[in-house]
Amino acid sequence: EDQVTQSPEALRLQEGESSSLNCSYTVSGLRGLFWYRQDPGKGPEFLFTLYSAGEEKEKERLKATLTKKESFLHITAPKPEDSATYLCAVQGPGGYQKVTFGTGTKLQVIP
Amino acid sequence: NAGVTQTPKFQVLKTGQSMTLQCAQDMNHNSMYWYRQDPGMGLRLIYYSASEGTTDKGEVPNGYNVSRLNKREFSLRLESAAPSQTSVYFCASSEVGRNYGYTFGSGTRLTVV
Repeated sequence: EDQVTQSPEALRLQEGESSSLNCSYTVSGLRGLFWYRQDPGKGPEFLFTLYSAGEEKEKERLKATLTKKESFLHITAPKPEDSATYLCAVQGPGGYQKVTFGTGTKLQVIP
Repeated sequence: NAGVTQTPKFQVLKTGQSMTLQCAQDMNHNSMYWYRQDPGMGLRLIYYSASEGTTDKGEVPNGYNVSRLNKREFSLRLESAAPSQTSVYFCASSEVGRNYGYTFGSGTRLTVV
């Protein structure tokens, strides 16, 4: 059974204080690893897809990396508007309907 | 550019009542999904529709039915609501392909009392 574990559950940063969120996964035959951002009361918003170990994707202050067992979402010099819950998900060989989500990391950036 | 639209946003039901959650997307996506999100559980797939005219069960289908009305619309029906179905429900759509994540709606917060 595919599993996704995100850590920490919650993270509080000062504005400008860089850090990383972790997503550890177990899946037989990774088809893709996804990162989403979710604001309170809203649906998740797609950020990145990573496919193979060593791959990196960037968007503004966010950078996602992938190894064979985990992914990191690095946040450089965060701003208060980066506060949200960040979700990780993996797609196994069962197809795009076989996507397993983690429970997320709630990030709070304090001015 | 509306994306994925869900109605209603909030609903309170009594145990045993029925209701239909509506979802429509305007991105011409082939695939649509219904998820529920519960504290500490992550998003779990209820049903999905790979393309117009097809539907399949996901991880937690019991107590739900779906209809893919056309390419745009995918509804979720609770025939006899139970307190265990209290949750936030999200509809999502996607195109088939390696670079596409899901586009989610803003959710329906359902409480069954």
